[in-house]
Amino acid sequence: DAKTTQPPSMDCAEGRAANLPCNHSTISGNEYVYWYRQIHSQGPQYIIHGLKNNETNEMASLIITEDRKSSTLILPHATLRDTAVYYCIVSLSPGGTSYGKLTFGQGTILTVHP
Amino acid sequence: NAGVTQTPKFRVLKTGQSMTLLCAQDMNHEYMYWYRQDPGMGLRLIHYSVGEGTTAKGEVPDGYNVSRLKKQNFLLGLESAAPSQTSVYFCASRLTDVSSYNSPLHFGNGTRLTVT
Repeated sequence: DAKTTQPPSMDCAEGRAANLPCNHSTISGNEYVYWYRQIHSQGPQYIIHGLKNNETNEMASLIITEDRKSSTLILPHATLRDTAVYYCIVSLSPGGTSYGKLTFGQGTILTVHP
Repeated sequence: NAGVTQTPKFRVLKTGQSMTLLCAQDMNHEYMYWYRQDPGMGLRLIHYSVGEGTTAKGEVPDGYNVSRLKKQNFLLGLESAAPSQTSVYFCASRLTDVSSYNSPLHFGNGTRLTVT
């Protein structure tokens, strides 16, 4: 699985958009970008994933660059409850050679301020 | 629908004692995983299972055993606990059929284990 690079920490004001970047320059053509977050003392929570196109769901938007070497997770209106560690992960689909294991790095600690 | 449930939530063991962590999921997921999380180390895969009756080693399997006798349950055992196994243990599961080709992992809320 390709390696990802994320900033160790970021701050965001409540109500503003939080834009979390992720570099994955060695991503291969059949690897997906996944985002999870972990709120203190809880298990990681799935947010969103994508392959090439931008994706949006009720939690967030995922913007993937055309060359797929980087992506940005956007929380459109951050709240205090969005304070968490955010993990960007690149992985093959479960149907490929991977058995579905996702390798979690250190992630980005997002702190949302009042 | 409870999702992924882990028991116990907390446990303190003495070196050499044994224990079993239970993971139960009610989503009819095929794949199940055990991870451990340590400060500064991220999540590391211990063992995983691709279906009832099958298990396989992950990145850090030494000192642990697992069993998947029923599809909904995945047990993690420590036969002789060591202080190095002090950690937070997370169980996860996911679907793997064609209709959920890239189904995400669903995690439990963890078991906090301290070995003294």
